[in-house]
Amino acid sequence: GAVVSQHPSRVICKSGTSVKIECRSLDFQATTMFWYRQFPKQSLMLMATSNEGSKATYEQGVEKDKFLINHASLTLSTLTVTSAHPEDSSFYICSARDPRTAWAPLHFGNGTRLTVT
Amino acid sequence: GQQVMQIPQYQHVQEGEDFTTYCNSSTTLSNIQWYKQRPGGHPVFLIQLVKSGEVKKQKRLTFQFGEAKKNSSLHITATQTTDVGTYFCAGVNTNAGKSTFGDGTTLTVKP
Repeated sequence: GAVVSQHPSRVICKSGTSVKIECRSLDFQATTMFWYRQFPKQSLMLMATSNEGSKATYEQGVEKDKFLINHASLTLSTLTVTSAHPEDSSFYICSARDPRTAWAPLHFGNGTRLTVT
Repeated sequence: GQQVMQIPQYQHVQEGEDFTTYCNSSTTLSNIQWYKQRPGGHPVFLIQLVKSGEVKKQKRLTFQFGEAKKNSSLHITATQTTDVGTYFCAGVNTNAGKSTFGDGTTLTVKP
């Protein structure tokens, strides 16, 4: 089945630094990928839709200059949390659909647990 | 925008008891998907419902999609400790479009 790989699984960084998270579709090409953030015991909140070859579409309230998204190829999307602060600590998850299947479900990466100290 | 509400937020059951979570959308959906997230893990796809009034079963799990395609439910018969986790519904209203997740129902099962 379709697999989405996300890296790193955990990262601890100091306040003010930037962190890059990678999301790869391993056996299908994804023109669109989705980035979610999940706080403890809460639901998945869509942050942005990553579009291959064009600008990402950000949800209301998500700062595009803070969360930089690049979707340079059909199998890779990256999320960079710039100038991270403790309030950015969260679980970030990417997902993608296999375009070969109509109404395909989302396949999620394993997530990245970010801790900003 | 589209909202998807899910209840209850938490459910604690004794092993062997049944469990149901309900999902309601503010708009008519093209389809609805259900996911399970184990503690510390990522959401894993369970099933998708597309047709009005559709009912699907996976062993002890029964999924229903309402006639109006605005609500859905997941029922687990005779829960087991392996059923613990958070169950999310996700409403989709465009093909290949984004999904709107419900708040999830966290199930704990006491042996």
